[in-house]
Parts: sequence; structure tokens; C-alpha cells
Amino acid sequence: DAGITQSPRHKVTETGTPVTLRCHQTENHRYMYWYRQDPGHGLRLIHYSYGVKDTDKGEVSDGYSVSRSKTEDFLLTLESATSSQTSVYFCAISAGLAGTGNEQFFGPGTRLTVL
Amino acid sequence: AQSVAQPEDQVNVAEGNPLTVKCTYSVSGNPYLFWYVQYPNRGLQFLLKYITGDNLVKGSYGFEAEFNKSQTSFHLKKPSALVSDSALYFCAVRGGGDYKLSFGAGTTVTVRA
Repeated sequence: DAGITQSPRHKVTETGTPVTLRCHQTENHRYMYWYRQDPGHGLRLIHYSYGVKDTDKGEVSDGYSVSRSKTEDFLLTLESATSSQTSVYFCAISAGLAGTGNEQFFGPGTRLTVL
Repeated sequence: AQSVAQPEDQVNVAEGNPLTVKCTYSVSGNPYLFWYVQYPNRGLQFLLKYITGDNLVKGSYGFEAEFNKSQTSFHLKKPSALVSDSALYFCAVRGGGDYKLSFGAGTTVTVRA
């Protein structure tokens, strides 16, 4: 999976608890993304980063925050998990400038269940 | 706003027969188009992309895709399907000047022996 690891790979948590998912890359790519995958919706962008400490919202960012203090790490935090955040979360990376045709490479995913 | 439509939730074909997975898109400006494949319990794997140039793009595992600007389509094709091609396929688009991808809902391909 292109030098991308995600941790944990599986997590079960309770409503109202904070959860942090980690994405780590060894490719030194500038751009990093967090998606969630739900049946019938494909992948939807939560947040993305275009450099260290540079992040922006995607289409489904409510209830999520992110941080990027190092090139290789991109953290996704659910401040107070809800059942609607039960999903599979994927991290992705890409190289190159914005607007170019660089493909994204995906991590193995984290399956999160909120009870 | 950019968007992708994959009109078929499922495609079923016999091994050895041609496989087509359909994708249409809407985007401002010139599109960058991608196909990804997802095997069970795995992340998405890049198959191929169209940026510019020849409308027929060849990718991994014998797949190819044809860009049709007038029909705003980017259908994925394989001349002879294998059972191992059974997976979930996603089409994605990005408009020029934007590095955010928009994905279709996915098409499940089942190739029967």
C-alpha cells in the first residue's frame, strides 16, 4: 500500500468518547487526505493537508478535526464520537502541485465502530 | 461543483467475456480522470488515469479506459475478464486547478467461472 500505514486498523468505541486515527507515510509526499467510505456513497473527503500545519476542510468535515505537525504524519480526531461516524476511514497521499494529474495512493484503512 | 456517476451498482460477466464498467462525469474545465479498484478488506489501488492526449488509456492488469469528451464519459474496459477481477471499482474526477478528487459510488464486478 505505497508506504502508507494506518493505526489502529480496527477500533470499537462508545458514543461520546474521543478517537484519534493516525496515518503515517514514508514517501515524503506533500499532500495527505482523510476519506470515509460508506456503502452507496463511495469515498467522501473529510479533511486534507497541503503541507505541515496546512489543512483544509473537505465535504464531510463536521465532527472531525485534523493535525499535521510532521510531513509523514496526519492525524484525524473525532472529538466526541457518534454512531453516524461508524465507517471505514482511509488515508491517501499524493505528490506534485495542485491541479496536476498526480494519482492518490491509499492506505489499508481503519474500520471504526461507534456503539 | 464536480461529480461522478457510476450508473451500475453491479456488473456480472462470465470469465473470458469482455468487461465494461461505466462512468460519466461533470467538471469545470479539463478533467483529470482516474480508475481505482478495491479488493475485500483492502485499500484502493490505482488502475489508470487520463490527463491529456490519446483518448484510450492503458493501465494495470490489462485494463484500459476510453475518454469521450462529448459524452463526458470514461468507461473502464477489459477484453477478457478473469475471476480475479471480481472487486469494487471506483471512478474519480478532478477538475483542473483542484487537487481534491470526487469519487463515484462504486461498481461491484463479479466474474463467474
